[in-house]
Amino acid sequence: GAGVSQSPSNKVTEKGKDVELRCDPISGHTALYWYRQSLGQGLEFLIYFQGNSAPDKSGLPSDRFSAERTGGSVSTLTIQRTQQEDSAVYLCASSLVSRPDSAQHFGDGTRLSIL
Amino acid sequence: AQSVTQLGSHVSVSEGALVLLRCNYSSSVPPYLFWYVQYPNQGLQLLLKYTSAATLVKGINGFEAEFKKSETSFHLTKPSAHMSDAAEYFCAVSFGSGNTGKLIFGQGTTLQVKP
Repeated sequence: GAGVSQSPSNKVTEKGKDVELRCDPISGHTALYWYRQSLGQGLEFLIYFQGNSAPDKSGLPSDRFSAERTGGSVSTLTIQRTQQEDSAVYLCASSLVSRPDSAQHFGDGTRLSIL
Repeated sequence: AQSVTQLGSHVSVSEGALVLLRCNYSSSVPPYLFWYVQYPNQGLQLLLKYTSAATLVKGINGFEAEFKKSETSFHLTKPSAHMSDAAEYFCAVSFGSGNTGKLIFGQGTTLQVKP
C-alpha cells in the first residue's frame, strides 16, 4: 500500500522480554518519527530520523529504548527488558521533508501489552 | 516552554449541530498548527494545518479552523455534525527556528455525535 505500515499490529509479551517494533514509511519520505500513545501521558514524541541519522532522541524515556533506521527507509524501535509502564500504542509517522510545516502521515500503530 | 491545551476531553453534539473543538497553544515563536483525527484502532489522519499562509484554514470532511494570534487559539469547527465524525481529535503544534518537525500534541477531545 501507499501508506505507513507498522508491524506487528498487536504484541503481547512478558515483563523483562525484549520487543522490536517495525515501521515502513511512505516511499520517498526522508523524515520518520516515533510517538507513543498511552492513557496517562497522551501522545508523546520519542525519536526523529532524517535519513539514517537520529538528530533528535530527546523523547526516549530510558536507555532501554533504542531505534535505528536502515537504508533511509525501514525503522525498528527496540525496547529491552520491558516493563509494565511500557504498555502503550507506538505510532510511526513519516513526512516528505523534515520541516515544521510538513504534514506527517501516521501508521495504524503497534499496540504493546506487557504482562 | 511550548504547549498545547485542548479544552474539554469530551464533547457531545447532536447530528446536524455545530461542532466546536477548542485548542490553545503557548509559544514564544510562530507556531505551525495541525488538527488530526483518530478513529478506533487506527492511526492519526490529518484534517488540516496552519502554516501562516491564511488564518482561516479549510480541511477535509467539511472541517475548518481559524488561527487567532491574539487569542493564541486554533479552534476546529464544522457547521453540521455527521455520525461519522465521532472520533478523537488532536490539536498539535510544531515550531520553526530549526525545529525538526516533531509534534507536540494536546490531550485530545473525544467527539460524540448523537442521532
